[in-house]
Amino acid sequence: AQSVTQPDIHITVSEGASLELRCNYSYGATPYLFWYVQSPGQGLQLLLKYFSGDTLVQGIKGFEAEFKRSQSSFNLRKPSVHWSDAAEYFCAVQEYGNKLVFGAGTILRVKS
Amino acid sequence: DAGVIQSPRHEVTEMGQEVTLRCKPISGHDYLFWYRQTMMRGLELLIYFNNNVPIDDSGMPEDRFSAKMPNASFSTLKIQPSEPRDSAVYFCASSYSNRVNEQFFGPGTRLTVL
Repeated sequence: AQSVTQPDIHITVSEGASLELRCNYSYGATPYLFWYVQSPGQGLQLLLKYFSGDTLVQGIKGFEAEFKRSQSSFNLRKPSVHWSDAAEYFCAVQEYGNKLVFGAGTILRVKS
Repeated sequence: DAGVIQSPRHEVTEMGQEVTLRCKPISGHDYLFWYRQTMMRGLELLIYFNNNVPIDDSGMPEDRFSAKMPNASFSTLKIQPSEPRDSAVYFCASSYSNRVNEQFFGPGTRLTVL
């Protein structure tokens, strides 16, 4: 079965600093990969997705992610974090059919 | 365009009671997913439907859980009888089949079973 690992449960960064959230996946074929964000008390919102092609994908809110097959990684980045980015972030991989397998999530705290 | 609608947003009930959670997917979406989120287990897929037909219910924890989708615009998740360990946030999500897995999530129902 496919799996997704987000090694960092919590990350704290200062406002204006750069951000990288790590995601590693286990999947036999070319994966379909996603990053979602969940603000407190809300549902998940899609930030970006990778299906094929360019390994650097751009998403909403200034986020980007890079697919690295050799490292089985799909890390999320943002050059300058805003206080409104404080939320929980989930990496996911598509399994057979239309199922998504989610990582455990990383809670981002932003210091002012 | 309205997003995925879930009701109620919060539900508090006593152990042994029947609980029904409701979901209205985005119009035109042909996939519907039910998830459960807890601190201990994270986000788990319970069941999903395609064109109102259940495709995979392997995530449904017990026979106490059941889900239906009588038409393209409505689905229910029922727990009978409810237990305290069912306390969680339950999310419904929907997607188009031709936009693989760009799932749109509802705001969730926070269920507390006393």
